[in-house]
Amino acid sequence: LAKTTQPISMDSYEGQEVNITCSHNNIATNDYITWYQQFPSQGPRFIIQGYKTKVTNEVASLFIPADRKSSTLSLPRVSLSDTAVYYCLVGGTDSWGKFQFGAGTQVVVTP
Amino acid sequence: GAGVSQSPSNKVTEKGKDVELRCDPISGHTALYWYRQSLGQGLEFLIYFQGNSAPDKSGLPSDRFSAERTGGSVSTLTIQRTQQEDSAVYLCASSEGLRQASIQYFGAGTRLSVL
Repeated sequence: LAKTTQPISMDSYEGQEVNITCSHNNIATNDYITWYQQFPSQGPRFIIQGYKTKVTNEVASLFIPADRKSSTLSLPRVSLSDTAVYYCLVGGTDSWGKFQFGAGTQVVVTP
Repeated sequence: GAGVSQSPSNKVTEKGKDVELRCDPISGHTALYWYRQSLGQGLEFLIYFQGNSAPDKSGLPSDRFSAERTGGSVSTLTIQRTQQEDSAVYLCASSEGLRQASIQYFGAGTRLSVL
């Protein structure tokens, strides 16, 4: 049972802002929302995490509406090196004791 | 400090052989996770450990797959009688604990090719 839904792919040009929305209608009260980035031939790496409202760090912002049924990862002024797959992960184990990453969003940045 | 280390980085084996994949988590991390990623696909969760215990093994694809963790540190994923469909990248991750907000730190993976 997939807990999250993301767009399969997004294209952007250098310098633009990229926003990726993840839907998680069944989010539980205690669930956090975490985003990971994966480059080819590497393991995913943590980008940002939030519980509600807005979180910002040096690489991204995370917007979470009041109902928490979705979240949006915002990458400001992307560069070619931001070309990667982005995954959202909600909470920890689901009711079947599994960690359910979304299918990921392939972001391609071109000059 | 050192990150999550996986070995070997690449493994080529013949169909029917057994393979062992190793994961060294970040020191002090009590939770450890195994995932499988087929070419161009997302992450398929296999199993997690809290300490040396794996509460739920139902994510393992078949009874040819097993995993253990000793001393609350190193973990081994074993695949017996490998099949071509086992070819994938096997990723290991660790986290400080097993909480809703636990951040997982991933290794670079072991690329398994079954001929």
